[in-house]
Amino acid sequence: KAGVTQTPRYLIKTRGQQVTLSCSPISGHRSVSWYQQTPGQGLQFLFEYFSETQRNKGNFPGRFSGRQFSNSRSEMNVSTLELGDSALYLCASSLRRGGFVLGSPYEQYFGPGTRLTVT
Amino acid sequence: KNEVEQSPQNLTAQEGEFITINCSYSVGISALHWLQQHPGGGIVSLFMLSSGKKKHGRLIATINIQEKHSSLHITASHPRDSAVYICAVRNNTDKLIFGTGTRLQVFP
Repeated sequence: KAGVTQTPRYLIKTRGQQVTLSCSPISGHRSVSWYQQTPGQGLQFLFEYFSETQRNKGNFPGRFSGRQFSNSRSEMNVSTLELGDSALYLCASSLRRGGFVLGSPYEQYFGPGTRLTVT
Repeated sequence: KNEVEQSPQNLTAQEGEFITINCSYSVGISALHWLQQHPGGGIVSLFMLSSGKKKHGRLIATINIQEKHSSLHITASHPRDSAVYICAVRNNTDKLIFGTGTRLQVFP
């Protein structure tokens, strides 16, 4: 079974531009979560989608948005890029939303990440 | 103060040593994850815990809900265990909060 795939793997953008990142979950997984990882802040939760609906959101400005399609693939968009948006963006998929159901936890499977550099 | 604290931040070991990485948290949680991140960024989910203890191969994870503390143990460590180990908790509003990670280097 293929793992979580993310495209592109590397991206260089300039300040003010916008960017769209893509994540294809493991077949059959309906939940996709996005994370940002920077050297200074570590890993931070961005948002989670399940059945095409955003179910949970971290503390990021409105410039960060996402969506999920009917085939569970997800895209993340960052508008008006800032230098501080340079990071590794990771997505993870799981069978059930939240990666946890009381008494029956589901693991999250991570993609390789997209490394975004803003200059 | 971070809601999830890990210790140590950096750890070096000789091959074969027993390794312990600690995670303490200050929020109510529904689950705790241990993640492994290799150079290049790839992340593997090692364990998800809500109570007790789990074992997978040479890895053991424990959690004490009353003390708000979890440990990840690696027995008979090997150079391929060299990675960053990250503790993450899912709080009671369903958000994941990450520790800053522990960088482990195992030398032959």
